[in-house]
Amino acid sequence: AQSVTQLGSHVSVSEGALVLLRCNYSSSVPPYLFWYVQYPNQGLQLLLKYTSAATLVKGINGFEAEFKKSETSFHLTKPSAHMSDAAEYFCAVSDRQAGTALIFGKGTTLSVSS
Amino acid sequence: GAGVSQSPRYKVAKRGQDVALRCDPISGHVSLFWYQQALGQGPEFLTYFQNEAQLDKSGLPSDRFFAERPEGSVSTLKIQRTQQEDSAVYLCASSLGHLAGFNEQFFGPGTRLTVL
Repeated sequence: AQSVTQLGSHVSVSEGALVLLRCNYSSSVPPYLFWYVQYPNQGLQLLLKYTSAATLVKGINGFEAEFKKSETSFHLTKPSAHMSDAAEYFCAVSDRQAGTALIFGKGTTLSVSS
Repeated sequence: GAGVSQSPRYKVAKRGQDVALRCDPISGHVSLFWYQQALGQGPEFLTYFQNEAQLDKSGLPSDRFFAERPEGSVSTLKIQRTQQEDSAVYLCASSLGHLAGFNEQFFGPGTRLTVL
């Protein structure tokens, strides 16, 4: 069964610092990969997704993620954190063959200090 | 345009009560999903509809959970004889098509269920 692991339940950075949120997947066939953001009392919002095109994927709000098959990773980065980036971030996968449902990691809370 | 809406946003139930949670998907979206998000966890898949057909209910934790989408639009998740372990946020998502890789799932704000 597919699964996804997010390393670090809580990440704290200073405003302007690099953001790095880690995600590793477990699947014999590279799945589709997603990053979602969840702000308090709001629904999940898609930041970016990897299907099969470029391994470096750019998303909204300046975020990007790189798919690395050799490391089974899909880490999320942003060069310079803003206060507004503080939220819960979820990595998710779906099966490449017939995937309908998303399988989520446990999430990483990002805190940004001034 | 309007996004996915869910009601109620908050629900408190006494153990043993039945509850019904409503989801209004984005108009025209064929696929509808329910997820359960326990405190401090990521969302977990419960069930999936394509139009009015419930094609996958493998994630429903027990036979106390029942979902329907009779006309292919609004969906209701019903939990009978609620237990404390049912306390969670229930998320609804809808998408134009069924394959997650090609059809973005748009999520509602969720219903927070607390069972006392």
